[in-house]
Amino acid sequence: AQKITQTQPGMFVQEKEAVTLDCTYDTSDPSYGLFWYKQPSSGEMIFLIYQGSYDQQNATEGRYSLNFQKARKSANLVISASQLGDSAMYFCAMRERTNAGNMLTFGGGTRLMVKP
Amino acid sequence: DADVTQTPRNRITKTGKRIMLECSQTKGHDRMYWYRQDPGLGLRLIYYSFDVKDINKGEISDGYSVSRQAQAKFSLSLESAIPNQTALYFCATSGKGLAGERTDTQYFGPGTRLTVL
Repeated sequence: AQKITQTQPGMFVQEKEAVTLDCTYDTSDPSYGLFWYKQPSSGEMIFLIYQGSYDQQNATEGRYSLNFQKARKSANLVISASQLGDSAMYFCAMRERTNAGNMLTFGGGTRLMVKP
Repeated sequence: DADVTQTPRNRITKTGKRIMLECSQTKGHDRMYWYRQDPGLGLRLIYYSFDVKDINKGEISDGYSVSRQAQAKFSLSLESAIPNQTALYFCATSGKGLAGERTDTQYFGPGTRLTVL
C-alpha cells in the first residue's frame, strides 16, 4: 500500500502567489517524521522542511511552511510568494521506525511550475 | 565544497559491464544510503549502512552490492549492468545534530546519471 501519496503530478502558480502542495501519509507508528525535498532541473535533492509527529506547531522555514493536520494524516507544503526559482519537483517523505532503524519513504512528487 | 560528493556524475556503459559508483561525505555522519530515481518517480532505497560494519538491503537491492570502506565512503556496484538499471542514483547521509541528538534528515549528493545500453 502507498505510504506517501502526492496527488498532484503537476501544478502551475503565478509568480508572487502562494501555492500548496499536497501530501497524505499512512502509518500506524505514533512516532514519525515528515520531510519535504526540492529537486530542481539540475537534479540535486534539497532538504526544505521537517515536521515531527509530536511537534505542536507547524514547521516553518523562510517562505516554506508545513500545514500539518495529524488527524487527517496530511502534511501539505505551503510556499508563499512564489519565485521563478521555485519551479522544480517537490517530494514529500516520511520517516518511520523499522526493525532495522529509521527509514525514509518518498512520494511520487509534484512538479511545480511558476509562471512569470 | 559540497558536503556529499558522488563520482562519476554521468556514466554510459554497456550491458554486462561492472560499474562502481562512489560516494564521499565530509559531514561526519555515520549513516549512508543509496537510492535510485526513475524518470517521473520518487526515490527508492537500494542499500543503507548505519556504520562501517553495518550493511542492510533496501527495497530494491537485487542486482546491486555495496561497500562501506570508511565512515566517509560508501560505494555502490552493479556487478553486471542491465538496461533497466538506467536511472539517476543518489547517495545520502544522516547523523547527529550539534547537540548530539540523532536527526533523521538526509542530505543528498548531486546524483549520478547512469545509462546502460
